[in-house]
Amino acid sequence: GIQVEQSPPDLILQEGANSTLRCNFSDSVNNLQWFHQNPWGQLINLFYIPSGTKQNGRLSATTVATERYSLLYISSSQTTDSGVYFCAVGEGAQKLVFGQGTRLTINP
Amino acid sequence: DAGVTQSPTHLIKTRGQQVTLRCSPKSGHDTVSWYQQALGQGPQFIFQYYEEEERQRGNFPDRFSGHQFPNYSSELNVNALLLGDSALYLCASSYTTGGYTFGSGTRLTVV
Repeated sequence: GIQVEQSPPDLILQEGANSTLRCNFSDSVNNLQWFHQNPWGQLINLFYIPSGTKQNGRLSATTVATERYSLLYISSSQTTDSGVYFCAVGEGAQKLVFGQGTRLTINP
Repeated sequence: DAGVTQSPTHLIKTRGQQVTLRCSPKSGHDTVSWYQQALGQGPQFIFQYYEEEERQRGNFPDRFSGHQFPNYSSELNVNALLLGDSALYLCASSYTTGGYTFGSGTRLTVV
């Protein structure tokens, strides 16, 4: 099956810093999503981005499908950005395969 | 517009017991998927239901079963609970193509 690798596994930053999270995947995909998991466990959908670039406020994402990677950018980090960020790719029409996540800690 | 609703939010069961978790999909969504997330891991796909049938299944034993109702809501049943079944169980809904929306999950503890 498809493999999804996220890096770095952990990232600690000061408030106001910028960060880049990376997701590599082993095969072509028709679906790629970035999620933020809050402390209560809910997965919040950030981007549905199988290709191209999207921006939403301080967050943006780019997927280069031909090179099998996606990047999530967070600018001017806030403490509320802390949590685990997951990249998930579609395998076939039914299944999302998740990476192991990047744990982001933003210190005040 | 309600998102994906899961119940209960927390549950404690004893080894060997059976449990049923419930999920109501987002309005307009007709497909429901279930995921298991162990502590410190990414979610793992259990199975997906569409038109009241299991469409695909992940690498989980037959103790895990499900059902989808005509109103698209779904149940996840786990029989003969093991300690290793302790996890956060997430339900996700979708419509044909496009992204998945996840619920807040049910945290199951098996003692």
